[in-house]
Amino acid sequence: SQQGEEDPQALSIQEGENATMNCSYKTSINNLQWYRQNSGRGLVHLILIRSNEREKHSGRLRVTLDTSKKSSSLLITASRAADTASYFCATDAGANSKLTFGKGITLSVRP
Amino acid sequence: DTGVSQNPRHKITKRGQNVTFRCDPISEHNRLYWYRQTLGQGPEFLTYFQNEAQLEKSRLLSDRFSAERPKGSFSTLEIQRTEQGDSAMYLCASSLGYNSPLHFGNGTRLTVT
Repeated sequence: SQQGEEDPQALSIQEGENATMNCSYKTSINNLQWYRQNSGRGLVHLILIRSNEREKHSGRLRVTLDTSKKSSSLLITASRAADTASYFCATDAGANSKLTFGKGITLSVRP
Repeated sequence: DTGVSQNPRHKITKRGQNVTFRCDPISEHNRLYWYRQTLGQGPEFLTYFQNEAQLEKSRLLSDRFSAERPKGSFSTLEIQRTEQGDSAMYLCASSLGYNSPLHFGNGTRLTVT
């Protein structure tokens, strides 16, 4: 079963604009992670945020986590055509649990 | 860091045949995961290992699927008597352990005809 649900399912923006993607989940978590996947390739880890953290930055990426609402958002600022990919949120419920992925968001950045 | 390596990249097989995939994780990673992904979906958990111990196996996995990690290094995933519904991308990932990100290989794409 897939715990995380991303929103929207697809997003198309112009180069230079910001992209915001949301993820909601159902059960309590230890951490939440975001991954990117280019077509036909494996997933690449972007950022991990622990349950006791509220915000984290990495380059042009900003992730927030609201455990009371069981939701997270990923913001990509000043998007580039190379950011075109599928983005997945994944939740980790504890030490001996696996990472559970959502269905993903398809981001298209038009040059 | 040579990354996670998966072989083969593509496999086409006829229904009823057995297939085996191999995954070589990043050398110092003690956790190894197998996921399956179909078009338009997120990766679906199959099983994972801590060193050579298989700690969890998805209930979605029928008894036609088996995975091993004999010496806590590389892993194999075997599918016996393949069915058309097994057609998917099979992804392997490794990690240092708890609270660590997963490093994925580029997957093995299986097509069952």
